[in-house]
Amino acid sequence: EAGVAQSPRYKIIEKRQSVAFWCNPISGHATLYWYQQILGQGPKLLIQFQNNGVVDDSQLPKDRFSAERLKGVDSTLKIQPAKLEDSAVYLCASSFITARSGNTIYFGEGSWLTVV
Amino acid sequence: AQTVTQSQPEMSVQEAETVTLSCTYDTSESDYYLFWYKQPPSRQMILVIRQEAYKQQNATENRFSVNFQKAAKSFSLKISDSQLGDAAMYFCAYRRNNAGGTSYGKLTFGQGTILTVHP
Repeated sequence: EAGVAQSPRYKIIEKRQSVAFWCNPISGHATLYWYQQILGQGPKLLIQFQNNGVVDDSQLPKDRFSAERLKGVDSTLKIQPAKLEDSAVYLCASSFITARSGNTIYFGEGSWLTVV
Repeated sequence: AQTVTQSQPEMSVQEAETVTLSCTYDTSESDYYLFWYKQPPSRQMILVIRQEAYKQQNATENRFSVNFQKAAKSFSLKISDSQLGDAAMYFCAYRRNNAGGTSYGKLTFGQGTILTVHP
């Protein structure tokens, strides 16, 4: 079974430039998450989709971050304009919808962003 | 809001020995799950073990086991017979249950513990 795919794996941009990350979840997974992991910290949820609807985007800096999940499958996370503090690993994850929340959430390998 | 705290930034263990990683959490919910994830340098999060709050029996997965103390809101991970491949960052995570609901709680992570395994 293919895992969660993310691209690009690595990106270096200058501040105020824009960047986009793509995620393809595991087939059949209705729930998709984007997490931001700053070096030395635990991941922080940016946005959660269920199918193509947003469930939670309370910690997404909406003045510069945007995300979409067209057709309830692939997702794109965009940052524009980027700031130095956006340097982090952006992790995409997905899961099935189940009756209880103990189901496994599968993570991709992440997209590493460095803003200089 | 739920919080997860890992008070040990770094831990080390000799190969074949046992090590325990600590985690505490704060929540007002009674129905939730707790998880331990392993993150190697590749950064991919790998589920190690999960515990359902309503189950009194501590979860076990091969060499990995937990000590779940619900009243104390403590959730430690014990790794027995440590192997070199266990070296990684370990994260404790919390997820509120939403049984039968239409939305599912996010995973809230602790700050992580770096585990080093010495040969």
